[in-house]
Amino acid sequence: DVKVTQSSRYLVKRTGEKVFLECVQDMDHENMFWYRQDPGLGLRLIYFSYDVKMKEKGDIPEGYSVSREKKERFSLILESASTNQTSMYLCASPPPQGTNTEAFFGQGTRLTVV
Amino acid sequence: GNSVTQMEGPVTLSEEAFLTINCTYTATGYPSLFWYVQYPGEGLQLLLKATKADDKGSNKGFEATYRKETTSFHLEKGSVQVSDSAVYFCALSDRGGSYIPTFGRGTSLIVHP
Repeated sequence: DVKVTQSSRYLVKRTGEKVFLECVQDMDHENMFWYRQDPGLGLRLIYFSYDVKMKEKGDIPEGYSVSREKKERFSLILESASTNQTSMYLCASPPPQGTNTEAFFGQGTRLTVV
Repeated sequence: GNSVTQMEGPVTLSEEAFLTINCTYTATGYPSLFWYVQYPGEGLQLLLKATKADDKGSNKGFEATYRKETTSFHLEKGSVQVSDSAVYFCALSDRGGSYIPTFGRGTSLIVHP
């Protein structure tokens, strides 16, 4: 019954490394989102994609990029990891526009940059 | 634009106490309303939802009623358990407008034995 899967639960990376976070969904949804979650700040939208090779900036895109080469896969890329990117990262796949079903989330990736 | 405001936490309760977590919203279209729950170390999962005014969503003893007149969707449970300790997010999805879901900041619930 798995719908959204993130490739790693926990990651530890060094400052300056290029980091890839992978997300795969099996619902054939067009929309996929990346959020980061920090205490007291809730969920903040980093990037989203509404189709293959299409992407839009969210509220906090600085320091991140994304890739959507296939419909089921949406990757978040930290070009040069920094300690202030230590966070919980959540991938989500909301339903198509015009429906009233819920968004499905992955289990999250806890990233620590040292 | 759309927004969701929920009470700040943490909310700390003893087992079997009554729970209310307040949530109010603003939306330009015809929103569906959701409560998500996040258990420690996990992603968000749907707890309950309501798609039109006066609908009541319910699941696992939790309830919330879509109140259009007060633009509210408060979460309630009559008797909480230690296993209910989690972070709860109120959210809306506006079918008539942006498909980007709007989330509240989350409310942490801690239930003591």
